[in-house]
Amino acid sequence: NAGVTQTPKFRVLKTGQSMTLLCAQDMNHEYMYWYRQDPGMGLRLIHYSVGEGTTAKGEVPDGYNVSRLKKQNFLLGLESAAPSQTSVYFCASSPDTTSGIYNEQFFGPGTRLTVL
Amino acid sequence: AQKITQTQPGMFVQEKEAVTLDCTYDTSDQSYGLFWYKQPSSGEMIFLIYQGSYDEQNATEGRYSLNFQKARKSANLVISASQLGDSAMYFCAMRVLSTGGFKTIFGAGTRLFVKA
Repeated sequence: NAGVTQTPKFRVLKTGQSMTLLCAQDMNHEYMYWYRQDPGMGLRLIHYSVGEGTTAKGEVPDGYNVSRLKKQNFLLGLESAAPSQTSVYFCASSPDTTSGIYNEQFFGPGTRLTVL
Repeated sequence: AQKITQTQPGMFVQEKEAVTLDCTYDTSDQSYGLFWYKQPSSGEMIFLIYQGSYDEQNATEGRYSLNFQKARKSANLVISASQLGDSAMYFCAMRVLSTGGFKTIFGAGTRLFVKA
């Protein structure tokens, strides 16, 4: 099993450009998450999904959109990138919902995004 | 508001000694989960240990133990017999039920330096 994978690993954008980050998991997990990590701060939740076709806003959703068309994939989109979105982005997944409190999250390796 | 507080930005410990990393949390929920993650310099997030709010015994995983004091809302991580490879960033996190499903809130982290 590859676990949670993220593409790309690095990306540099100019202000106003758009891009999509792809997260894929092969563990058949129901929940998927997108976080951003900035220097000196912990991870902050951008959006999450509790199942295929569903999405919900997290702590810092502005400027991002997400889609979960397939259970194994969770896409994070930036429609018009801004320098404030320079960060490291982590995707994570966790299994089922019935005992979701007890489920650890499995993280991808991260994507380092720089917006000039 | 739900919050995780890690008051130690950096900690030093001598190799082979034990170290405690502090974590306090704030929630009005009765059911929640507490997690610790390790982030080495390579950047990946590694799950270490979990404690449920209804668990009466402190969680242990090898050299890691979680000192759970519910009345004080603290969930400190204890690492016994520190090793050089323990040098990393450590994050405390809390999992709670939110509209649309569960979500995880992270603290700002503590950077641990293990000295030879």
